[in-house]
Amino acid sequence: RKEVEQDPGPFNVPEGATVAFNCTYSNSASQSFFWYRQDCRKEPKLLMSVYSSGNEDGRFTAQLNRASQYISLLIRDSKLSDSATYLCAVRGTGGGNKLTFGTGTQLKVEL
Amino acid sequence: DARVTQTPRHKVTEMGQEVTMRCQPILGHNTVFWYRQTMMQGLELLAYFRNRAPLDDSGMPKDRFSAEMPDATLATLKIQPSEPRDSAVYFCASGRLGGNNEQFFGPGTRLTVL
Repeated sequence: RKEVEQDPGPFNVPEGATVAFNCTYSNSASQSFFWYRQDCRKEPKLLMSVYSSGNEDGRFTAQLNRASQYISLLIRDSKLSDSATYLCAVRGTGGGNKLTFGTGTQLKVEL
Repeated sequence: DARVTQTPRHKVTEMGQEVTMRCQPILGHNTVFWYRQTMMQGLELLAYFRNRAPLDDSGMPKDRFSAEMPDATLATLKIQPSEPRDSAVYFCASGRLGGNNEQFFGPGTRLTVL
């Protein structure tokens, strides 16, 4: 089993829709969680950290479910510009801040 | 607006040639990471440094890859000799240990080995 797993998609949704992605992780002791956004042929960019209490930033909401070992990203009122690949990242228990990334979920928002 | 910079942005070379990629981390960041991204494998960690010391290079093929950090403003990743299977995008990222563990990525070096 991979350390971090994501549904690769693509998720094709109409503009204005609400879409949610999950990301599961295998190490129950993982400490920090993040969502990154990656546009085609660009570098990953940090979208948001995921806190135990959840985190909301505008149309984006991230949540952590430790019991089931997954994090989620909810995008409300999706825009064409939200089309990208969304990568989750998990920091384990080792020293330093080494992250393990999922392979990403592709989102396509359509007119 | 502090950013991680990487050079070159694109590199096309022939099999057997040496390739050197460079990264300038964000000033004040004390951890540096090298990743490789391919369609098949996704984003893989090759090596990472803390305060310029290598902490983990288990993801890196030791026979041909080497990573160094000669000073706090420069990290290098070398491949010698290069092979076609090394074709990928190589990203450098930096972060601040003890903070919220976020990593910030450079624009990447797109390597093609013919």
